[in-house]
Amino acid sequence: EMQLVESGGVVVQPGGSLRLSCAASGFALEDYTMHWVRQAPGRGLEWVSLISWDGGTTYYADSVKGRFTVSRDNSKNSLYLQMNTLRTEDTALYYCAKVTNPNYYYYGLDVWGLGTTVTVSS
Amino acid sequence: QSVLTQPPSASGTPGQRVTISCSGSSSNIGSNYVYWYQQFPGTAPKLLIYRNNQRPSGVPDRFSGSKSGTSASLAISGLRSEDEADYYCAAWDDSLTGEVFGGGTKLTVL
Repeated sequence: EMQLVESGGVVVQPGGSLRLSCAASGFALEDYTMHWVRQAPGRGLEWVSLISWDGGTTYYADSVKGRFTVSRDNSKNSLYLQMNTLRTEDTALYYCAKVTNPNYYYYGLDVWGLGTTVTVSS
Repeated sequence: QSVLTQPPSASGTPGQRVTISCSGSSSNIGSNYVYWYQQFPGTAPKLLIYRNNQRPSGVPDRFSGSKSGTSASLAISGLRSEDEADYYCAAWDDSLTGEVFGGGTKLTVL
């Protein structure tokens, strides 16, 4: 069974940093572009970032560009999101998700983790 | 404000057919595929429709998607109580170079 498990979410002060992790199992992470999507409490889904299968291509939402960095270690079947200069508006449940088709950066996201909660508050 | 526009709510009675609209622009829906996700409270989203009108394995054929120009729709026929959930449309946006979501539509089965 394909599975994604996020971790690393905590309470952090504004201006702080945090690194989220996403562990994959049941499929070859190295074959797929991976995405981060977040959901603020009581709000809708917001796309955050993507990283290509080899890490060579990354894209970010304008709201996080210059502050967040996505990376991956295929040898560890893991995906990461380094979050710097955190703001209160970054408070959300952060999901990692797998693209459906290995030949595309985006083709729908068919496997999602349960998410990890980041709270930015003083 | 979401890049894709959805009605915040929709409702129907069991057995009815309901549609949820999603409006975008030439840089997203107008030039790329549309995807639909279903999300129940406290759970992760689930891919419901991909490539405008394709259903992943296991999604009932009561769910169907369509696209015309810069708009798309999700139709649910034979509405059931278990369809009560939030529904999101999504598409790649060439101008933003990223995925964009609609604000979500909360479907209530009366």
